[in-house]
Amino acid sequence: GNSVTQMEGPVTLSEEAFLTINCTYTATGYPSLFWYVQYPGEGLQLLLKATKADDKGSNKGFEATYRKETTSFHLEKGSVQVSDSAVYFCALSDLSGGGADGLTFGKGTHLIIQP
Amino acid sequence: DTAVSQTPKYLVTQMGNDKSIKCEQNLGHDTMYWYKQDSKKFLKIMFSYNNKELIINETVPNRFSPKSPDKAHLNLHINSLELGDSAVYFCASSLTGGHDETQYFGPGTRLLVL
Repeated sequence: GNSVTQMEGPVTLSEEAFLTINCTYTATGYPSLFWYVQYPGEGLQLLLKATKADDKGSNKGFEATYRKETTSFHLEKGSVQVSDSAVYFCALSDLSGGGADGLTFGKGTHLIIQP
Repeated sequence: DTAVSQTPKYLVTQMGNDKSIKCEQNLGHDTMYWYKQDSKKFLKIMFSYNNKELIINETVPNRFSPKSPDKAHLNLHINSLELGDSAVYFCASSLTGGHDETQYFGPGTRLLVL
């Protein structure tokens, strides 16, 4: 079956530090990959996505590249801000079954940015 | 102009009660989903509906039943609530078969069973 593994944290960084949150996956087909962010007390927001190998998703200074050879989709940001403090979820969607399917999520990484 | 909305946002109830959570999307999507987020933030798919047909039914208790009156709505009914049902429930929607099958999520319903 499909699975997503990501570092769980909490990850604590100082403002303006470089961020990497690792994410690896296993899938039976050719999945699309996503990063969602959940701010405290709120729902899930799509941060970025990539639908095929070597695609790079980017948004709000965050980037992630779909690496098929290493089955990874690591999230990076060059300079984090306090407002980036949230829980980040890596997820995949595998449509090889042909129909609508749910997302398979990692367990989430709690990111804390200190001023 | 909320894309995916859920009501109520908070729900506190007693064990054994029956409750419903409503979800509506105005994105013109044809597939809707329900996810459960547990106390450790882990998210798991419960159901999805595509054109009024149940596509996925994960191993959830049959006390949970999704009902979709039309493509824009997917309500979640829960009978005989148990303490372990306390969680955050998220509705989501997507457009299948096209170039972009991204799922968009509602704000969540925080259910507490006492």
